[in-house]
Amino acid sequence: KAGVTQTPRYLIKTRGQQVTLSCSPISGHRSVSWYQQTPGQGLQFLFEYFSETQRNKGNFPGRFSGRQFSNSRSEMNVSTLELGDSALYLCASSTQTGGTEAFFGQGTRLTVV
Amino acid sequence: AQRVTQPEKLLSVFKGAPVELKCNYSYSGSPELFWYVQYSRQRLQLLLRHISRESIKGFTADLNKGETSFHLKKPFAQEEDSAMYYCALSPNQAGTALIFGKGTTLSVSS
Repeated sequence: KAGVTQTPRYLIKTRGQQVTLSCSPISGHRSVSWYQQTPGQGLQFLFEYFSETQRNKGNFPGRFSGRQFSNSRSEMNVSTLELGDSALYLCASSTQTGGTEAFFGQGTRLTVV
Repeated sequence: AQRVTQPEKLLSVFKGAPVELKCNYSYSGSPELFWYVQYSRQRLQLLLRHISRESIKGFTADLNKGETSFHLKKPFAQEEDSAMYYCALSPNQAGTALIFGKGTTLSVSS
């Protein structure tokens, strides 16, 4: 079956703009989580959605938001972009909540200039 | 505070040598612990989890609650084991939110 698909793969944005990233989970997976990966901070949890509800949120400013649709596809939005938001954004899906295997996408590389 | 610590950024060993990638965690409850691996140009993928107590690709990891550790071990390293390894913690009943360590690059040379 198809893996987790993230679009677009690469993005270049200007400071102050906003951006929306998309994630299509594996068919049948209802949990989607998002991570930010940077060389300095590593992989940091952003938020997790299950059945269209945000279940957990990491320690990121309110400029970072997300949502999940009824078909389990998820989007994350970053408003008022800052240079420090440049990172690889990873999405992961799983079948249920509670410590099950997370399947990762290839990520969206965001560059803020 | 919930935290996962991987003290080594890089571990270099020769083929056939034993490998131990260290992971320590800080969590007050009963976490679930995982090792994820990322091979060159591939996606991050699950290697093993403590609840299954299995050996994958010759790797094992034992949860030591007393020392709050979950070290990854392999008796004889292979060149194909070269990759980035991440230890991760999932707070119990907290969904699939994972707290990752900063990762250890394992380099196996012949």
